[in-house]
Amino acid sequence: KQEVTQIPAALSVPEGENLVLNCSFTDSAIYNLQWFRQDPGKGLTSLLLIQSSQREQTSGRLNASLDKSSGRSTLYIAASQPGDSATYLCAISNSGYALNFGKGTSLLVTP
Amino acid sequence: EADIYQTPRYLVIGTGKKITLECSQTMGHDKMYWYQQDPGMELHLIHYSYGVNSTEKGDLSSESTVSRIRTEHFPLTLESARPSHTSQYLCASSAWTGASTDTQYFGPGTRLTVL
Repeated sequence: KQEVTQIPAALSVPEGENLVLNCSFTDSAIYNLQWFRQDPGKGLTSLLLIQSSQREQTSGRLNASLDKSSGRSTLYIAASQPGDSATYLCAISNSGYALNFGKGTSLLVTP
Repeated sequence: EADIYQTPRYLVIGTGKKITLECSQTMGHDKMYWYQQDPGMELHLIHYSYGVNSTEKGDLSSESTVSRIRTEHFPLTLESARPSHTSQYLCASSAWTGASTDTQYFGPGTRLTVL
């Protein structure tokens, strides 16, 4: 079974800093990898999806990379803002239907 | 913005009651999913569906059941709620694009408390 680990579990940074969230996985035979954002008491918002054949995806201040050979993905957030405070989840699809989630990184960006 | 809805958002109910959590999407997605999330823990898939009249159990064992009579509707039912069912239930849907699954869109979730 795919194991997904996210480090760190929690992170606090001052506004304006660039930061990197890490995701590692045990099975490199993936269909795709998604990064989500979850705000307290709410559902998940999809941020970026990287297909198995891709190395990275970018959306605004967010950049996600995928290295299947090492079983790693990173989410880079540039010029962080207080509104970026949330839990960030990494999820991997091996089978084309189910997502295997990590426990997430709780991010706090202080003004 | 994704159009996937869940009702109720919050539910507090006594042990032994039958409950149905509703999930609807207006995107015409064939695939739908139910995930369960305990506080501070990762999401686990409990049910999924490839389309009408198709339902499968997920990786996490669950006493709940689901049905898929219409493409847009994927309700989850607990015949007899117990305190161990207290959790957040998240519904999601995705399109099928060839060999791989597209982005999964999530509803806002139902937070269930069984007393």
